[in-house]
Amino acid sequence: QSALTQPRSVSGSPGQSVTISCTGTSSDVGGYNSVSWYQQFPGKAPKLMIYDVTKRPSGVPDRFSASKSGNTASLTISGLQAEDEADYYCYSYAGSYIWVFGGGTKLTVL
Amino acid sequence: EVQLVESGGGLIQPAGSLRLSCAASGFTVSSNFMSWVRQAPGKGLQWVSVIYIDGRTYYADSVKGRFTISRDMSKNTLFLQMDFLRAEDTAVYYCVKAGPWNHYFDYWGQGTLLTVSS
Repeated sequence: QSALTQPRSVSGSPGQSVTISCTGTSSDVGGYNSVSWYQQFPGKAPKLMIYDVTKRPSGVPDRFSASKSGNTASLTISGLQAEDEADYYCYSYAGSYIWVFGGGTKLTVL
Repeated sequence: EVQLVESGGGLIQPAGSLRLSCAASGFTVSSNFMSWVRQAPGKGLQWVSVIYIDGRTYYADSVKGRFTISRDMSKNTLFLQMDFLRAEDTAVYYCVKAGPWNHYFDYWGQGTLLTVSS
């Protein structure tokens, strides 16, 4: 049950775009269309931002988008805002009734 | 409005037992996939356990044989019975309402802190 691989940190200036990657294997990210993404502020519960690889729940700004290519999923935040500074986690089914999160990425808005 | 309220966390000695509860409102626990997710202090998220609509249960390898997930339909409440606790089980435990087949988590509780220490 290895965690999916995310960069520990990414940064960008207001208005820019940033992309957070989530790399797994053909047994998890690459094998199922079940990747989801979560935003977490310090001391708070995570919030669902993307599900089923590319779908956005109602209320999530369309600045947040996601995709998958092979064994790597990506979350892109365009038009970066100060309020986007948070930790982001990916999550995927890994087969055999096991689910795994990524290690998390800290987004800093410069 | 969907709400999940966890309770039962606290300080427990290694090898001890504890049961977490999650009172749900705004939806029916038994008609949804429900999971527990934990987060050790300063660390990332870890999926712990899921209970399917049909009652099947699954666990992360790290807790298999020690933790038991269950639900009470009359109380609309989810539980996590934790036995043979270890220091590495120390974490905030979140009760989560899951989407179909546990493939995402659309509602989270506020979390309850479990500390395993002598």
